[in-house]
Amino acid sequence: GQQVMQIPQYQHVQEGEDFTTYCNSSTTLSNIQWYKQRPGGHPVFLIQLVKSGEVKKQKRLTFQFGEAKKNSSLHITATQTTDVGTYFCALRGPGNQFYFGTGTSLTVIP
Amino acid sequence: SAVISQKPSRDICQRGTSLTIQCQVDSQVTMMFWYRQQPGQSLTLIATANQGSEATYESGFVIDKFPISRPNLTFSTLTVSNMSPEDSSIYLCSVDWGATEAFFGQGTRLTVV
Repeated sequence: GQQVMQIPQYQHVQEGEDFTTYCNSSTTLSNIQWYKQRPGGHPVFLIQLVKSGEVKKQKRLTFQFGEAKKNSSLHITATQTTDVGTYFCALRGPGNQFYFGTGTSLTVIP
Repeated sequence: SAVISQKPSRDICQRGTSLTIQCQVDSQVTMMFWYRQQPGQSLTLIATANQGSEATYESGFVIDKFPISRPNLTFSTLTVSNMSPEDSSIYLCSVDWGATEAFFGQGTRLTVV
């Protein structure tokens, strides 16, 4: 199956600092999604990006889709302890199945 | 949104035995997916289950090891057969909702001893 790489794999930040995770694909993507998985929980959908260069915001979260539609980023401004978890990007395969990126685990130090 | 009930939530099984995981959705859905998530890892798609047809397995997964049933549009099962400790993982069912996002069950935490 297809897979996208995410960097970094782990990130530890002080509460209040910003955080960014990047998702990179070798092929052009039709769309990309972002999910958050809290420790011990299941992935929860955050957003879908479809258009080249698209930028969407959800409160302190900013999502961006690259112009070439081969990469995407999630930026969190002023992290809080509630942001702790693993963030995954995901793409749709040809059979409409979802393939998940390698994930970035975020730890927020109070 | 869809509500997905998955059971059991966890189990400890002897090697060589089989475990069947059930996934019930509160709405009719065309596609259901089964994932495996090993500790600290990402989600790996095992197979896609459509009602009325054979499941489609991803590379590295075979029907003899992970038989799947999809008897109707709201229910699916995944069986982990002839288990070994390497099968210890979290297994998650998921549905494609509104052609946009994936909804997940709570997962089944399997330990094989």
